[in-house]
Amino acid sequence: NAGVTQTPKFRVLKTGQSMTLLCAQDMNHEYMYWYRQDPGMGLRLIHYSVGEGTTAKGEVPDGYNVSRLKKQNFLLGLESAAPSQTSVYFCATRGQASYNEQFFGPGTRLTVL
Amino acid sequence: QQQVKQSPQSLIVQKGGIPIINCAYENTAFDYFPWYQQFPGKGPALLIAIRPDVSEKKEGRFTISFNKSAKQFSLHIMDSQPGDSATYFCAASLRTDKLIFGTGTRLQVFP
Repeated sequence: NAGVTQTPKFRVLKTGQSMTLLCAQDMNHEYMYWYRQDPGMGLRLIHYSVGEGTTAKGEVPDGYNVSRLKKQNFLLGLESAAPSQTSVYFCATRGQASYNEQFFGPGTRLTVL
Repeated sequence: QQQVKQSPQSLIVQKGGIPIINCAYENTAFDYFPWYQQFPGKGPALLIAIRPDVSEKKEGRFTISFNKSAKQFSLHIMDSQPGDSATYFCAASLRTDKLIFGTGTRLQVFP
């Protein structure tokens, strides 16, 4: 089992470009999360999903959109990238029965020039 | 109310030392307090977690101490090893809600 995978691993964008980050999981988990990690700021929640077809805003949702069309995939979109979105992005999943134990993917390092 | 404050920001210890990382919270409704360990270039991974009905939990060399009245909890690493060098995050949540993470502590253990 691959667990939680993220595509791509690295990406460099120019300001104004768009891109989509893909998170895929094979654990049959209901909950999926997108975080960004910046130095000295910990992990901040961007958007999350409690099941297929649902999405909700987290702490820092502005400039991002998400979709959960299939249970195993959670997409994070940047419509018009800005330098402030330079960060490492992590996807996480959680099973419905667990006490919020989240399993993280390996991350995507994004640089916006 | 929703913040988790973590200290110190960085910590350097010798092998065999006992690094202690502290976290404080405000929301008394939090009912789950995990610690995550992250190695460079990797995603965080759950290390150990505690619920507020106990004051201490041990798993191997890692111990969480929980003080409900002070709204504080801490991670102790006994007999620390160079392989423990990583960034550690505390977090808190309500059972069916989101995790609120601390800002992280970078631990370096020197031989």
